Amino acid sequence: DVKVTQSSRYLVKRTGEKVFLECVQDMDHENMFWYRQDPGLGLRLIYFSYDVKMKEKGDIPEGYSVSREKKERFSLILESASTNQTSMYLCASSFPGQRTRRGNEKLFFGSGTQLSVL
Amino acid sequence: GQQLNQSPQSMFIQEGEDVSMNCTSSSIFNTWLWYKQDPGEGPVLLIALYKAGELTSNGRLTAQFGITRKDSFLNISASIPSDVGIYFCAGQLYYKYIFGTGTRLKVLA
Repeated sequence: DVKVTQSSRYLVKRTGEKVFLECVQDMDHENMFWYRQDPGLGLRLIYFSYDVKMKEKGDIPEGYSVSREKKERFSLILESASTNQTSMYLCASSFPGQRTRRGNEKLFFGSGTQLSVL
Repeated sequence: GQQLNQSPQSMFIQEGEDVSMNCTSSSIFNTWLWYKQDPGEGPVLLIALYKAGELTSNGRLTAQFGITRKDSFLNISASIPSDVGIYFCAGQLYYKYIFGTGTRLKVLA
C-alpha cells in the first residue's frame, strides 16, 4: 500500500513563528501536493510539485512556501505563522496523470497535521 | 477554489439501509475518486473510476463514472455503524483535483 507520512499529527505554534510541515511518500510518486482543509471551505490547494525542485502555486499560496529537494519529501513552510493559518493540513501524492497508465491518477493522502496558531 | 456539488450534504440512516450520494460538475474529468474521512484523519481512497460508464465495486461500496464524465455516484449497501464519516468525491484532470463538498453520513444502530 502507498504510504504518505506527515511528521506531526498535532502542532501548536505562536504567531510569527516559522513552521515546517514535513511529508514523505514511499511510492516513488512524481506529484506531491499540500492542501488545507477548513470547515465549509473544503480542500484548498496550497502548492504542488511535479518533480524534484519544481513547484507550482495552487489556489491559496500566500503566506506559504514549499521545498522539494528529494523526490520522496515535500515540505510546507509557514514563513511567519498567523492565526488564520490554523487549519488541518493534508499532504498527498500521485503519479503523473496519464490516461495510458491506468491507476496512476489515484491521489493518496497522509493522516493530516492539525495546526493551531495562537 | 472550485468545489464540486455533492448531495446530500448529510444523512441519517438506519443500520442495514442502503445509501446513495452523488457529485456533479460543469467540467469533464478523466478520473473520479471517492474518499472517506474520519474526524481528525486524512481522507482514505475508496474507489477510483477511469472511464465514462464504468461501474466499480469495493465490498459494499459501488461507484459509477457518469456517461457525460461530469458526474459520479457512490452507493453503500447494508450500512453498518463504522460507515459513519464524511464521504467526498474528487474529479481529476492532469495535475488538478477538484473535491466535492462532502456528505456526512450518520448511521443509527
